[in-house]
Amino acid sequence: QKEVEQNSGPLSVPEGAIASLNCTYSDRGSQSFFWYRQYSGKSPELIMSIYSNGDKEDGRFTAQLNKASQYVSLLIRDSQPSDSATYLCAVSRSRGKLIFGQGTELSVKP
Amino acid sequence: EAGVTQFPSHSVIEKGQTVTLRCDPISGHDNLYWYRRVMGKEIKFLLHFVKESKQDESGMPNNRFLAERTGGTYSTLKVQPAELEDSGVYFCASSPMWAGPGELFFGEGSRLTVL
Repeated sequence: QKEVEQNSGPLSVPEGAIASLNCTYSDRGSQSFFWYRQYSGKSPELIMSIYSNGDKEDGRFTAQLNKASQYVSLLIRDSQPSDSATYLCAVSRSRGKLIFGQGTELSVKP
Repeated sequence: EAGVTQFPSHSVIEKGQTVTLRCDPISGHDNLYWYRRVMGKEIKFLLHFVKESKQDESGMPNNRFLAERTGGTYSTLKVQPAELEDSGVYFCASSPMWAGPGELFFGEGSRLTVL
């Protein structure tokens, strides 16, 4: 079993819709969770971090964490074509030591 | 402010040859990390420098890989001799000491192809 699992996609949503990206992790002791966005051929870019159960909102992005279910999600409201990218879920083992999932490719169709 | 820069962007070498990848972190970032993504797999941690010291090198695959960080500034990752399975994208990332545990600034990566 992989430590961090994501559906690889591609996930296709129409412009303006809500995109829902999901991630599960195996280490129940994990405390810090991150979503990175990576455009093709570019660097991964941190877009959200979440450390406690519940929701965390930042603009059109909402991260949700449920430690009991070992589940992290990222919702993107009002999806735009510019949101088309690969979204990487990551769990922190120690400072800077991230365990990544394989990433979910999101495609937002105009 | 310049981001994390990596060189070369793409390197093609033959099995058995040596390749050196370079990373220039963001100025002032004491933490420097190397990650790797091989085809079809997830991005995996290789090692972590704090200034010039190796803090964690648990992800280094074997002794064919040597990472250095001269004077706590830029870093190099040398693969010698390269094997076919070393092909992939090598990412460098940096962060300041005050950043959260997963708040890394990544470079665009160096793609290594071993033939």
